[in-house]
Amino acid sequence: NAGVTQTPKFQVLKTGQSMTLQCAQDMNHNSMYWYRQDPGMGLRLIYYSASEGTTDKGEVPNGYNVSRLNKREFSLRLESAAPSQTSVYFCASSDRVGNTIYFGEGSWLTVV
Amino acid sequence: GQQLNQSPQSMFIQEGEDVSMNCTSSSIFNTWLWYKQDPGEGPVLLIALYKAGELTSNGRLTAQFGITRKDSFLNISASIPSDVGIYFCAGLKGSQGNLIFGKGTKLSVKP
Repeated sequence: NAGVTQTPKFQVLKTGQSMTLQCAQDMNHNSMYWYRQDPGMGLRLIYYSASEGTTDKGEVPNGYNVSRLNKREFSLRLESAAPSQTSVYFCASSDRVGNTIYFGEGSWLTVV
Repeated sequence: GQQLNQSPQSMFIQEGEDVSMNCTSSSIFNTWLWYKQDPGEGPVLLIALYKAGELTSNGRLTAQFGITRKDSFLNISASIPSDVGIYFCAGLKGSQGNLIFGKGTKLSVKP
């Protein structure tokens, strides 16, 4: 049962470097999401894709870009990483927006 | 932004005790979800509630969708050490909206 798979699990970046977090789901879900989790802040939505070919901003989109590569894959890119982007990133998916979402195991990103 | 107020923020209890946590909002929600996050893992869905007044159990866990549709609670009976983790509530206002998460309740269980 793979569900939602995201890579890498851990990453350390220098300020200004770029990187892409990869996410894939095998549940044939239409909607996919990227959240970040910070202490005391809970889960905050960065971007989401309601369906293949569409992407929309969430609560905290600044400093990020996303690509819905196909129905299975939804990537999150940091073009110029900043220390404020040190966080745990979760990819998630759901059958459609408004339905129960299922999370990946997280990617721990540290920007120094 | 929209807010869910989840309380308590943290709990430190003795094994065997019952636990209660809740989420409230000034807005009406159509769906309430409860997730548990173990250390180093992603949140896992525990219970989903779709109707006002609905009371649903999953083993030792019981959750209710408040009659006013502005709140939900989660109870854990006879807690055990593996109940340790962070519990999140999440609410959904409509069929096209995104989930809104509470900030979590961190549960610690003392054997």
